[in-house]
Amino acid sequence: DTAVSQTPKYLVTQMGNDKSIKCEQNLGHDTMYWYKQDSKKFLKIMFSYNNKELIINETVPNRFSPKSPDKAHLNLHINSLELGDSAVYFCASSQGSGWGSGNTIYFGEGSWLTVV
Amino acid sequence: GQQLNQSPQSMFIQEGEDVSMNCTSSSIFNTWLWYKQDPGEGPVLLIALYKAGELTSNGRLTAQFGITRKDSFLNISASIPSDVGIYFCAGRNAGGTSYGKLTFGQGTILTVHP
Repeated sequence: DTAVSQTPKYLVTQMGNDKSIKCEQNLGHDTMYWYKQDSKKFLKIMFSYNNKELIINETVPNRFSPKSPDKAHLNLHINSLELGDSAVYFCASSQGSGWGSGNTIYFGEGSWLTVV
Repeated sequence: GQQLNQSPQSMFIQEGEDVSMNCTSSSIFNTWLWYKQDPGEGPVLLIALYKAGELTSNGRLTAQFGITRKDSFLNISASIPSDVGIYFCAGRNAGGTSYGKLTFGQGTILTVHP
């Protein structure tokens, strides 16, 4: 079983559309994240949730809205998609949000979003 | 905000050679991590370092947490073709509004020729 699973893996959509990416973790972790990887492979955090509560929001445009219905799920909804939103979006999770050894961050396989 | 400078950006080596890459930061981190990303996959943790000066090995991989807490290196010995991929360093904060977040380096693309 995949520990952090996200769907869809590939998504091609037109500018202006609204789309969602879903993420689920079966590790029993309390903290979940969304990271964005751009065309130059640079990885940057977007959001972090701990027990369904938002704890990090890295000045992402408000067209991006994360939703955590429970601590095992963190979905990402994107409104009015723009060309610059094309990227790979990674969901991740960790036991807690601290920096200690028990809080290793595990990544999903990524969702490749292409906006045309 | 904090920035990580990772070098080299890419490496082309022969199978059997040793590899070294490093990261430096403008400010301190409490944890240094090294991840590998294979094509079409997410980053996978290779080594985690939690104390300044710590030297940790994982098979052919060795990484160190710099004494100043502003740098780390990763060495791969006797490289093999499956070492191909992108290697990322990442630093993790301990406090402030970005508690627990990972800041990534730009990545080192490793190519190994058989």
